[in-house]
Amino acid sequence: DSGVTQTPKHLITATGQRVTLRCSPRSGDLSVYWYQQSLDQGLQFLIQYYNGEERAKGNILERFSAQQFPDLHSELNLSSLELGDSALYFCASSVGYQGNGQFFGPGTRLTVL
Amino acid sequence: KNQVEQSPQSLIILEGKNCTLQCNYTVSPFSNLRWYKQDTGRGPVSLTIMTFSENTKSNGRYTATLDADTKQSSLHITASQLSDSASYICVVSAVSWGKLQFGAGTQVVVTP
Repeated sequence: DSGVTQTPKHLITATGQRVTLRCSPRSGDLSVYWYQQSLDQGLQFLIQYYNGEERAKGNILERFSAQQFPDLHSELNLSSLELGDSALYFCASSVGYQGNGQFFGPGTRLTVL
Repeated sequence: KNQVEQSPQSLIILEGKNCTLQCNYTVSPFSNLRWYKQDTGRGPVSLTIMTFSENTKSNGRYTATLDADTKQSSLHITASQLSDSASYICVVSAVSWGKLQFGAGTQVVVTP
């Protein structure tokens, strides 16, 4: 158990819909990172927040957005969902903002039908 | 082009045998290299981390090596067990954030 929690574990929805994924970092960690892992693909970095502020952006689509709240939990919002958005979405956290020492959550499996 | 290349893409080994996974990177300036193990459908778990000055790091039956001059790393699994079946991901950090690069992973299957 990494100490990073993600909800829900599984999510099934239809094309065109909007969903919100939630992540709670490890106690004491200020950074939250979001990753997408499609079937048989490597991890793709989406976005990072550090202490409530956006810190780094990766390959995140304009239909996706995220935020980090004062209690440091984070939400990833996916809208106008397409079939290709079906993937595992991982959240990771770390103490600092350098990207090192990340601990990963168990992931949310999103299926878009 | 991915700055972290892993090989082989997949391999099958018999329980009890050893295997070695390769990671070549072009990320620069280099900060550290980490090997993760990812079980199917689970989040990656860190196995080892090495900085520029470290040549080898062990974690139980896992031993990672790093040659910062040739920008190559390897992960050696000794006396493989069925529970070693997983994807092994090489992750390289640059000194400045924003260049954390993930390899595509090597899928290892250990058979009885």
